[in-house]
Amino acid sequence: AQSVTQLGSHVSVSEGALVLLRCNYSSSVPPYLFWYVQYPNQGLQLLLKYTSAATLVKGINGFEAEFKKSETSFHLTKPSAHMSDAAEYFCAVSDLTTGGFKTIFGAGTRLFVKA
Amino acid sequence: DTGVSQNPRHKITKRGQNVTFRCDPISEHNRLYWYRQTLGQGPEFLTYFQNEAQLEKSRLLSDRFSAERPKGSFSTLEIQRTEQGDSAMYLCASSVDTGGDEQYFGPGTRLTVT
Repeated sequence: AQSVTQLGSHVSVSEGALVLLRCNYSSSVPPYLFWYVQYPNQGLQLLLKYTSAATLVKGINGFEAEFKKSETSFHLTKPSAHMSDAAEYFCAVSDLTTGGFKTIFGAGTRLFVKA
Repeated sequence: DTGVSQNPRHKITKRGQNVTFRCDPISEHNRLYWYRQTLGQGPEFLTYFQNEAQLEKSRLLSDRFSAERPKGSFSTLEIQRTEQGDSAMYLCASSVDTGGDEQYFGPGTRLTVT
């Protein structure tokens, strides 16, 4: 069965520091992997996705993530945090099941950025 | 296209009442998803449509919940005999059947059961 684990419900970084949000997944088949961001009082927005092409995926707003099959990880990084990056980040895995696609989200990591 | 829309944005109802939510996906998207999100949690998968066919339904979805997508366009989610535990944000998303399953989310409907 699919599952997603996000390590750390809260992460705090200083402005300009490296952002690292951790995600581990389990899936019985090669999955699609995603990172979504949710700003306060807004809907979820796709940051980036992995669909079995390049293992290093670049997304919007300077974020990127690396798919590591051996570690079943898909960690999200950004070299330099900006105040506007403060939000909730969700990792998700999507598998094609017998009935169709089913997407499982992690519990989320709230990113705080200190001035 | 202005994206995925959901109505109403907020709904307050008394326990035991029925409620219905509507989702209008992006027009060319043939896949539609419903999720439930509670405070501090990620979206929880409820059900999935490919065109008008409901292909996947969470085991967590009780018989009080039903969803339809009669013409493969908009979808409705009905909750019968609401309970306080149903209070949550109900999210709708849509995607295109071209691989990758990149989902576009609506703003959600916040349900409060008193």
